[in-house]
Amino acid sequence: NAGVTQTPKFRILKIGQSMTLQCTQDMNHNYMYWYRQDPGMGLKLIYYSVGAGITDKGEVPNGYNVSRSTTEDFPLRLELAAPSQTSVYFCASSSTGFGETQYFGPGTRLLVL
Amino acid sequence: GDSVTQMEGPVTLSEEAFLTINCTYTATGYPSLFWYVQYPGEGLQLLLKATKADDKGSNKGFEATYRKETTSFHLEKGSVQVSDSAVYFCALSDNSGGSNYKLTFGKGTLLTVNP
Repeated sequence: NAGVTQTPKFRILKIGQSMTLQCTQDMNHNYMYWYRQDPGMGLKLIYYSVGAGITDKGEVPNGYNVSRSTTEDFPLRLELAAPSQTSVYFCASSSTGFGETQYFGPGTRLLVL
Repeated sequence: GDSVTQMEGPVTLSEEAFLTINCTYTATGYPSLFWYVQYPGEGLQLLLKATKADDKGSNKGFEATYRKETTSFHLEKGSVQVSDSAVYFCALSDNSGGSNYKLTFGKGTLLTVNP
């Protein structure tokens, strides 16, 4: 049981490039989330999904897109990377919403130069 | 909106010292409260949680009590170890306004425990 896995672990992008951060969970969770963690700022929710085919914006969605074609996968797409997107990105999942424990992946460190 | 305020760090302690990390919150509904821990180079993992007032969450010697009257959820441990060195996040999940999916995090408190 791997839990939540993320790839890549680290990536350097040039300004204007695009990339997809991969996230997969094997716990059959309906809810999945993408957060970004900036130094000293805690975590901010980018997008979330309550099931396959259903996604919605979180607090900081600008510059990102997501899709959820299967229960297991929840990729995050960065279009036209900007230095402000330099951050650590965490994917998480939970069985339901309110009050449930969220399980986090190990994170992807992204540097945009 | 919802918010979580936790003790500014960093906190540096000697092994076997007593730990308190303060956390207070504001929420429109009746939140569940969490402490997550992030060890160096890893993702967050749940340390403990409490879902209603006066509940006490506990795990690995850490404790926190959900105090509705003071809107607090302070983290305590009687005797810290070097292996407790990590960043600790207080968070809440609110059941009001259709936002029950969301965790609102504090900024995190870096704890370093020296031998």
